[in-house]
Amino acid sequence: GENVEQHPSTLSVQEGDSAVIKCTYSDSASNYFPWYKQELGKGPQLIIDIRSNVGEKKDQRIAVTLNKTAKHFSLHITETQPEDSAVYFCAARSTDKLIFGTGTRLQVFP
Amino acid sequence: GAGVSQSPSNKVTEKGKDVELRCDPISGHTALYWYRQSLGQGLEFLIYFQGNSAPDKSGLPSDRFSAERTGGSVSTLTIQRTQQEDSAVYLCASSLSRGHSSGAFFGQGTRLTVV
Repeated sequence: GENVEQHPSTLSVQEGDSAVIKCTYSDSASNYFPWYKQELGKGPQLIIDIRSNVGEKKDQRIAVTLNKTAKHFSLHITETQPEDSAVYFCAARSTDKLIFGTGTRLQVFP
Repeated sequence: GAGVSQSPSNKVTEKGKDVELRCDPISGHTALYWYRQSLGQGLEFLIYFQGNSAPDKSGLPSDRFSAERTGGSVSTLTIQRTQQEDSAVYLCASSLSRGHSSGAFFGQGTRLTVV
């Protein structure tokens, strides 16, 4: 089955700096890769996603890149703000199931 | 409603008792998922419903866990003879089509504590 690895587990950045979270997946048939943001006490919120026929997607300060050959994808947050502090999860769709990474706790310091 | 709704938001139960967790998906969403999130951990897949197809139960950790989806809408996750290791946040998600291809939306979760 699919296995998704996510790094780093924790990330601390200064406000205004960029943050990058990386994930790798094992199932070459996976074709959909969403990213979720989870704030304390809340359910995960979909923030951006990418499909396997696209290499990069941007939405304001957030971008995701996908390298199908290497089977890895990354989340890039530019100009980080304190409200970006949360746990971020990557996921890969395999046989109709979303398999999640273990999460990255991002802290943005003012 | 506007989003996925789960109830109760918190549940404390005694070891050995049965519990039922409810999920109301977004109207019109045909796919519904249950995940479990232990403290500080990632999301563990439990079960997946798509339309009238047989559910994918491959993630259920034991036969004490079961789930139903009535009328293609509301779902109930039942845990029988609860154990302390069942303590976790149980999250429900729904999406417009199979496999989350249109994006999956999560509820706020039910925090289950078994004492």
